[in-house]
Amino acid sequence: QSALTQPPSASGSPGQSVAISCTGTSSDVGGYKYVSWYQQHPGKAPRLIIYEVTKRPSGVPDRFSGSKSGNTASLTVSGLQAEDEADYYCSSYAGSTNFEVFGGGTKLTVL
Amino acid sequence: QITLKESGPTLVKPTQNLTLTCTFSGFSLTSSGVGVGWIRQPPGKALEWLALIYWDDDVRYTPSLKSRLTITKDTSKNQVVLAMTNMDPVDTATYYCAHRLTATSWLYWGQGNLVTVSS
Repeated sequence: QSALTQPPSASGSPGQSVAISCTGTSSDVGGYKYVSWYQQHPGKAPRLIIYEVTKRPSGVPDRFSGSKSGNTASLTVSGLQAEDEADYYCSSYAGSTNFEVFGGGTKLTVL
Repeated sequence: QITLKESGPTLVKPTQNLTLTCTFSGFSLTSSGVGVGWIRQPPGKALEWLALIYWDDDVRYTPSLKSRLTITKDTSKNQVVLAMTNMDPVDTATYYCAHRLTATSWLYWGQGNLVTVSS
């Protein structure tokens, strides 16, 4: 069982917005500003799309945005496109002992 | 341009030890703040962070596997090595190495090395 809880699936139609949650505790998500999100297409390595809760690496469309409230972080994908269909994983710094924890992943389907 | 590539066995027997090598280019592991980590993913399952080594030789391990893992670096070869002892079928996974952007975010990833543990 993963340390961070994500819904197993999410879906939306092209052009719509969808939000994916990532729930942890005060020892990880709620305690630090180091939440990341990754997109993974089948057979490919993960791609970093959000880091430090809200920041986007160069080249990531601004359709992807991140936020956090308490122990829950969220990834919002706006203006859904077919190529957004993928698995999404959150991760968080969890202190000097546990260091990093991942979520169980969410499969996003574009209807 | 930063690139990383994993290499190592694709099949190991239960109880054997595993050694994976990450060969990288485009950055130096002697530069302040730089870190390289290992993350694995069992088939059809979630990502799991394993270990991280910093430019100053500081290392971090996931607590559940700490007794079985060793991460080292060879800056002259631009390589990071992950050793894992006493492999079990549950360790079957794709093992990725990655370049640390900040804290626990990984911007550059290798292609992954699928390791199957089976007799």
